[in-house]
Amino acid sequence: DTGVSQDPRHKITKRGQNVTFRCDPISEHNRLYWYRQTLGQGPEFLTYFQNEAQLEKSRLLSDRFSAERPKGSFSTLEIQRTEQGDSAMYLCASSLNNEQYFGPGTRLTVT
Amino acid sequence: KQEVTQIPAALSVPEGENLVLNCSFTDSAIYNLQWFRQDPGKGLTSLLLIQSSQREQTSGRLNASLDKSSGRSTLYIAASQPGDSATYLCAVSGAAGNKLTFGGGTRVLVKP
Repeated sequence: DTGVSQDPRHKITKRGQNVTFRCDPISEHNRLYWYRQTLGQGPEFLTYFQNEAQLEKSRLLSDRFSAERPKGSFSTLEIQRTEQGDSAMYLCASSLNNEQYFGPGTRLTVT
Repeated sequence: KQEVTQIPAALSVPEGENLVLNCSFTDSAIYNLQWFRQDPGKGLTSLLLIQSSQREQTSGRLNASLDKSSGRSTLYIAASQPGDSATYLCAVSGAAGNKLTFGGGTRVLVKP
């Protein structure tokens, strides 16, 4: 499979717990993006990397959120002290030129 | 700040009818525009990408036009089929490799 993969696909957690999501981009894609999508809305940008450098972070990315791409390949998104408002689909995308290719997403439910 | 709007939010058509989906954006200084399809609970599938210098792109039954100066794009799907039922999203990028700003999507139902 040469597409973008994300793990886990679903995560249910209790408020206050920490969660970590992983994204594996298409190999040789140097850019990797994270978006968040709530029900009935379009995705909203969170952050993006070129290789291992984090080039932009949205104001949506509060200090409870952190993202890494340590070797310029896979990326992780961690949410600390989760809140019910964090419940959403977290989407990862990668690109080499300009077209972004999306993974299947991780559905987070905070109870 | 770029804002992208898709109207209508939902659309229902009988099978065989042509679909016309609209997307508008407030800042005409875009680098490219991408149309996506999203099935319920799934990720996004890229349909077409139009560079800012292009007027349209075609793939099979899909045709997307871009009028950058007026801040509009239209996605045409010819001879719709029930399998075309999904949410269609448009998104614009302000520079090469930059983030996408999405519209809210148009939910399409094609009735057999």
